[in-house]
Amino acid sequence: EPEVTQTPSHQVTQMGQEVILRCVPISNHLYFYWYRQILGQKVEFLVSFYNNEISEKSEIFDDQFSVERPDGSNFTLKIRSTKLEDSAMYFCASRRRQGARETQYFGPGTRLLVL
Amino acid sequence: GNSVTQMEGPVTLSEEAFLTINCTYTATGYPSLFWYVQYPGEGLQLLLKATKADDKGSNKGFEATYRKETTSFHLEKGSVQVSDSAVYFCALGIQGAQKLVFGQGTRLTINP
Repeated sequence: EPEVTQTPSHQVTQMGQEVILRCVPISNHLYFYWYRQILGQKVEFLVSFYNNEISEKSEIFDDQFSVERPDGSNFTLKIRSTKLEDSAMYFCASRRRQGARETQYFGPGTRLLVL
Repeated sequence: GNSVTQMEGPVTLSEEAFLTINCTYTATGYPSLFWYVQYPGEGLQLLLKATKADDKGSNKGFEATYRKETTSFHLEKGSVQVSDSAVYFCALGIQGAQKLVFGQGTRLTINP
């Protein structure tokens, strides 16, 4: 069964460093998402991406964040200058079609620790 | 705004007990409702969903009914197993919006 994959599974970085989190969505999906979950808190939406552009973003997704689909398979989240409060689990998700009824399929997550 | 509230955890039950995890929502428009499960060390997996009022979603012995009158989508299972130990998230999706809105998650532990 097709699934969303994410790399790395864990990343430790120093405050102020840039990190790139990578995702490979399900191959025939067209809509891509990033969410994060700070330890013990809710899963929060960061950004959605369709047709090579951001379609919606939350207030968390400030200028330090960017997303890219550099080729036909990868979808990346870049944090330019990490802060301590960026420590969280980051989930990538994808879905095939538009619409609230369509299921979003999630990857296993990347646990980011900023020291 | 749109929000989801789940019952506080953690919830600890014995094997074969009856499970209810409460979920209520506030939404503009007509949301679709989802339960996702996160097993230890893994990502979020869709457990079940319902896309309109009075729909019942079911999977792996779990059920939830979309109740518009009470704005609820409570998760139930008649007889839980140790393997059901996980964190359960209720979520909603709104037509015209991209994101899912999640509840805070309920950690469930089943003891043998």
